[in-house]
Amino acid sequence: AQSVAQPEDQVNVAEGNPLTVKCTYSVSGNPYLFWYVQYPNRGLQFLLKYITGDNLVKGSYGFEAEFNKSQTSFHLKKPSALVSDSALYFCAVRDIGSSASKIIFGSGTRLSIRP
Amino acid sequence: DTGVSQDPRHKITKRGQNVTFRCDPISEHNRLYWYRQTLGQGPEFLTYFQNEAQLEKSRLLSDRFSAERPKGSFSTLEIQRTEQGDSAMYLCASSEKNYEQYFGPGTRLTVT
Repeated sequence: AQSVAQPEDQVNVAEGNPLTVKCTYSVSGNPYLFWYVQYPNRGLQFLLKYITGDNLVKGSYGFEAEFNKSQTSFHLKKPSALVSDSALYFCAVRDIGSSASKIIFGSGTRLSIRP
Repeated sequence: DTGVSQDPRHKITKRGQNVTFRCDPISEHNRLYWYRQTLGQGPEFLTYFQNEAQLEKSRLLSDRFSAERPKGSFSTLEIQRTEQGDSAMYLCASSEKNYEQYFGPGTRLTVT
């Protein structure tokens, strides 16, 4: 079965510093991986995806993610954090065993950027 | 606004009452999904429509839950005889083919 794990419940970073939000995955076959962000009382916003191609994927709001097949990781990164990046971040994988192509989400990592 | 919309945004109901939520997907998307999210957790899949056909349902979707997408456009999710454990955020998403899913703002249900 497909799954993702986000080992950190919370990540704290000072504004202007680089940030990393970790994600590891477990899939059979080639993974389709996603990152979503959720602001308070809002739905999820799509940030970026990896399907195939370059291991470094660029997404919205200056975020990028690095796909590492040997480490089965898909960490989210940003070179310089903003206070407005504070939110809940979800790593996700497409369930290839499902005809629905439903998404399986991790438990989320709360990112807090201090001024 | 051409994104996914959901109505209502908030619903407070008493235990045992029925509630219905509506989702309007992005117009060109033929795939529609319902998810449920409880506090501190990631969303969990409930059900999936391709056009008007409901093709997959999660075991989380008990017989008190029913979803429809009668004309392949908007969808409704009904919960009958609500229980306190149904309190959650109900999210709708749509997608085109197998691409990324776009989510609506959600309906927060509180059962008292």
